[in-house]
Amino acid sequence: GQQVMQIPQYQHVQEGEDFTTYCNSSTTLSNIQWYKQRPGGHPVFLIQLVKSGEVKKQKRLTFQFGEAKKNSSLHITATQTTDVGTYFCAGNAGGTSYGKLTFGQGTILTVHP
Amino acid sequence: NAGVTQTPKFQVLKTGQSMTLQCAQDMNHEYMSWYRQDPGMGLRLIHYSVGAGITDQGEVPNGYNVSRSTTEDFPLRLLSAAPSQTSVYFCASRPTGPNQPQHFGDGTRLSIL
Repeated sequence: GQQVMQIPQYQHVQEGEDFTTYCNSSTTLSNIQWYKQRPGGHPVFLIQLVKSGEVKKQKRLTFQFGEAKKNSSLHITATQTTDVGTYFCAGNAGGTSYGKLTFGQGTILTVHP
Repeated sequence: NAGVTQTPKFQVLKTGQSMTLQCAQDMNHEYMSWYRQDPGMGLRLIHYSVGAGITDQGEVPNGYNVSRSTTEDFPLRLLSAAPSQTSVYFCASRPTGPNQPQHFGDGTRLSIL
């Protein structure tokens, strides 16, 4: 079945440093979604990428979807303590399985002030 | 606007007991899903439903049953609880269509002794 791998599992940064998490799928994706989960909270939708090579920005966050639609990345510029949490990618294979999202393992981000 | 409501928030069971985790959404979403979250494993899909009367298995369905008699409700049943089912359970819903974000409930933290 479809697998989505996410690295790194943990990332510790000093406030002001940049952060990147990477997501790779074993199959071509119809779209990829990114979620953020604060400690003790539930996942919250951040963004969705649909087109090959797509790049989207939300303030200090930059999301990319690979040309082959099998990988994606999330980059945070100049991290802040409010960025702390777990970041998940979730892939949708589309077709008859478009009701299902497969989540990566998540990257736990710690920001030291 | 309640969104996705999960009850209970916390539960402790003894091995062999059964229970039902409740999930309700008031957004008229067709798609609903149940995930379990374990450290280092991300969110794994247990069961999902694409509409009332229709359910299907996800990645880790064993030991769990679901039904979808109404659009609003999607209960998850543990038939005979086992310590391996100790986890945080999230219910999610989303609108019909291939590129829609998921809305998560606050989760149920379940411990099996």
